[in-house]
Amino acid sequence: GNSVTQMEGPVTLSEEAFLTINCTYTATGYPSLFWYVQYPGEGLQLLLKATKADDKGSNKGFEATYRKETTSFHLEKGSVQVSDSAVYFCALNGNNDMRFGAGTRLTVKP
Amino acid sequence: NAGVMQNPRHLVRRRGQEARLRCSPMKGHSHVYWYRQLPEEGLKFMVYLQKENIIDESGMPKERFSAEFPKEGPSILRIQQVVRGDSAAYFCASSPDRGHSYEQYFGPGTRLTVT
Repeated sequence: GNSVTQMEGPVTLSEEAFLTINCTYTATGYPSLFWYVQYPGEGLQLLLKATKADDKGSNKGFEATYRKETTSFHLEKGSVQVSDSAVYFCALNGNNDMRFGAGTRLTVKP
Repeated sequence: NAGVMQNPRHLVRRRGQEARLRCSPMKGHSHVYWYRQLPEEGLKFMVYLQKENIIDESGMPKERFSAEFPKEGPSILRIQQVVRGDSAAYFCASSPDRGHSYEQYFGPGTRLTVT
């Protein structure tokens, strides 16, 4: 079945550092891929998405490119801020069958 | 446009009591999903419903848990005879349609504590 594997955390970075959180997937067909972010005490918020191969999703300085050849959707940001501290979830939607990764906790220190 | 609403935000129940969690999807959304999140863990899918129908309940425990999404009113996740292991955050999500390109919109969650 469909599944998502993402980089284990926690990840701790200094402000303005470069961020990469790895995500790979296994799926039949042509799924859509998502990154969600969860701030403490809140629900998940959609950060970005890509619905087909080679699409790049971007939002708030975060980017991820749908790579079919490597079955990956790595999240990147060039310069993180303290306010980016949160848990990030990679997700896959095969056919209304959403699968989430285990989440990666990011802490950004001033 | 109001987002997904869940209530209560926090719920405390003693062992053996019933817990009822409510979810109102975004306006125009007819697909509802329930997830459970244990502390420091990811999301575990529980059930997917459309109006008046359970589409996929493969993640629901076989006993004590039930869900409904009536024609009128919110979706309800019901846990009977709660036990300490039911303590978790329960999230509801909704989407406007079925299909792989549709993202799910999440509510703020209900944090259930069983004492």
